[in-house]
Amino acid sequence: DAMVIQNPRYQVTQFGKPVTLSCSQTLNHNVMYWYQQKSSQAPKLLFHYYDKDFNNEADTPDNFQSRRPNTSFCFLDIRSPGLGDAAMYLCATSRAENTEAFFGQGTRLTVV
Amino acid sequence: SQQGEEDPQALSIQEGENATMNCSYKTSINNLQWYRQNSGRGLVHLILIRSNEREKHSGRLRVTLDTSKKSSSLLITASRAADTASYFCATDLYSTLTFGKGTMLLVSP
Repeated sequence: DAMVIQNPRYQVTQFGKPVTLSCSQTLNHNVMYWYQQKSSQAPKLLFHYYDKDFNNEADTPDNFQSRRPNTSFCFLDIRSPGLGDAAMYLCATSRAENTEAFFGQGTRLTVV
Repeated sequence: SQQGEEDPQALSIQEGENATMNCSYKTSINNLQWYRQNSGRGLVHLILIRSNEREKHSGRLRVTLDTSKKSSSLLITASRAADTASYFCATDLYSTLTFGKGTMLLVSP
């Protein structure tokens, strides 16, 4: 049974056109993360929520925003995608500090 | 940055052999975790070792942690072709999980 679900699996967007990626979880975990992973690189943390508390990484561009309307859902908004934003975007959840993270299958974003 | 650095970047072995991957990091941690990623997929958690632990086992996996050297190792024994994947270490501090660059493991039949 899927526990962290990302939609869509593949997203193609036009340069500069806002795009939203979604993530849902059935685990009732407190923490939700968004990572960006480019080809052959490490996943890079963009931001995370601990419950409703939003934590932005210092080097996350302003072009990236996130919303968490409730425990189950979290969204990644890219306001004006550039070619350099093409990547795999990974959502993950964890119950609390000091526990394992559960990842979705990712959304591969292509910018044309 | 507390990002981990894995070593080697790539490892190619034969089925049945053991695979050892190393991870070094820079700052304090609550725990260190190892993940596996098949090509184009999400990450799967393998094992978590807390900062006060030195060694942990799970099936064919053995993880060590040396906080004085800020390093960890992952040993996969009796490797199988299905173990072919990228392996990442991740350091956890205050709910911030930071990944290293990964080791790409290829296990040939």
